[in-house]
Amino acid sequence: DIQMTQSPSSLSASVGDRVTITCRASQSISNYLNWYQQKPGKAPNLLIYAASSLQGGVPSRFIASGSGTDFTLTISSLQPEDFATYYCQQSYTTPRTFGQGTKVEIK
Amino acid sequence: QVQLVQSGAAVKKPGSSVKVSCKASGGTFSSSSISWVRQAPGQGLEWMGGIIPIFGTTDYAQKFQGRVTITTDESTSTAYMELRSLRSEDTAIYYCAGEKASGASHVWGQGTTVTVSS
Repeated sequence: DIQMTQSPSSLSASVGDRVTITCRASQSISNYLNWYQQKPGKAPNLLIYAASSLQGGVPSRFIASGSGTDFTLTISSLQPEDFATYYCQQSYTTPRTFGQGTKVEIK
Repeated sequence: QVQLVQSGAAVKKPGSSVKVSCKASGGTFSSSSISWVRQAPGQGLEWMGGIIPIFGTTDYAQKFQGRVTITTDESTSTAYMELRSLRSEDTAIYYCAGEKASGASHVWGQGTTVTVSS
């Protein structure tokens, strides 16, 4: 199975801050990398697919890049509604695997 | 846009089975495939398996092989996930999700809480 490793596991930030989350795959997954946001008690919500494509309706402050094994998700200016847990997921092959999550908390 | 509506919460005894449904509301399955993902309390996301509705082909995570069956009923646009031989560690929220061609899950059900307790 392809292992996905996210860092950090959690971070504290203030509204307006620039925040970056990284995700590393245990082998090359080309650009088959997706990012999800999950708020407490809710289903995950797709933010980014194919490493850098913004899902419809997602604000442009979410920016993602990478290919191969190393990927990043950046929130350019953190908003109150962005405090949540973020997961990366590879869809290069099955089993689909997720990173362990990054919890973004209010400083 | 198609929404996925899941069946309600279930409480099961260890050793029993649970079957969770996932109905496409407002249309038919328009996704390339349907995946099932679970989340234990306070934990991350775990992919269990998936199905391509138009072919009926399935793919399961090795961890669940032999214990899980995913099916679809195209006539009602409903997917099902059955998990057998339940144990306490199966207590989780179970989600269905529709995948784009790239494999990204772009539409999710609301989740079904399954509690396994004696």
